[in-house]
Amino acid sequence: SQTIHQWPATLVQPVGSPLSLECTVEGTSNPNLYWYRQAAGRGLQLLFYSVGIGQISSEVPQNLSASRPQDRQFILSSKKLLLSDSGFYLCAWSAGARDIAFFGQGTRLTVV
Amino acid sequence: DQQVKQNSPSLSVQEGRISILNCDYTNSMFDYFLWYKKYPAEGPTFLISISSIKDKNEDGRFTVFLNKSAKHLSLHIVPSQPGDSAVYFCAVTQGGSEKLVFGKGTKLTVNP
Repeated sequence: SQTIHQWPATLVQPVGSPLSLECTVEGTSNPNLYWYRQAAGRGLQLLFYSVGIGQISSEVPQNLSASRPQDRQFILSSKKLLLSDSGFYLCAWSAGARDIAFFGQGTRLTVV
Repeated sequence: DQQVKQNSPSLSVQEGRISILNCDYTNSMFDYFLWYKKYPAEGPTFLISISSIKDKNEDGRFTVFLNKSAKHLSLHIVPSQPGDSAVYFCAVTQGGSEKLVFGKGTKLTVNP
């Protein structure tokens, strides 16, 4: 069966520090991978999605970047965090956009 | 711009009654629609979906209705149970795109 792992669960980082959130999927190959952020009053905002290794589509210009160094690994990064980067970050995978997306447990990021 | 709108941030219903959650979308090219349920500090989980070739899909207590001309879909929960209390997100996608776009969510509270 397929599983998705996302870590860490919570993170408190100072403004200006770097960020690296990792997401891995097991039990499937060539999944679509997604990063979403849930901020207060903003719902689930699509940040990045990837349909294959090295293929990243960015949805919202911002202080974040994403990479997919391996088929089932998706990384969300920042060189210098801003206060506005605080939120609940969710990684998801699907077999295709018309297939069910399965989400990780999320990372609560607080930038102080 | 918001492609998917859930205009009611919250909804409160009595146990046993019907819950109706609404979602509007702007792009007539969207052709696949999903509902997800989310508890606090967890990732969303898939609930039910509908393709644009249908106008209704039913799964147990959950029914999704699609009105393509109005670009509107709704989720009906009958009968509502306290365990249904959660945030409900609608999501849309379209053929040829791997994007999965979510609305802002509606918080449903089912009172015993």
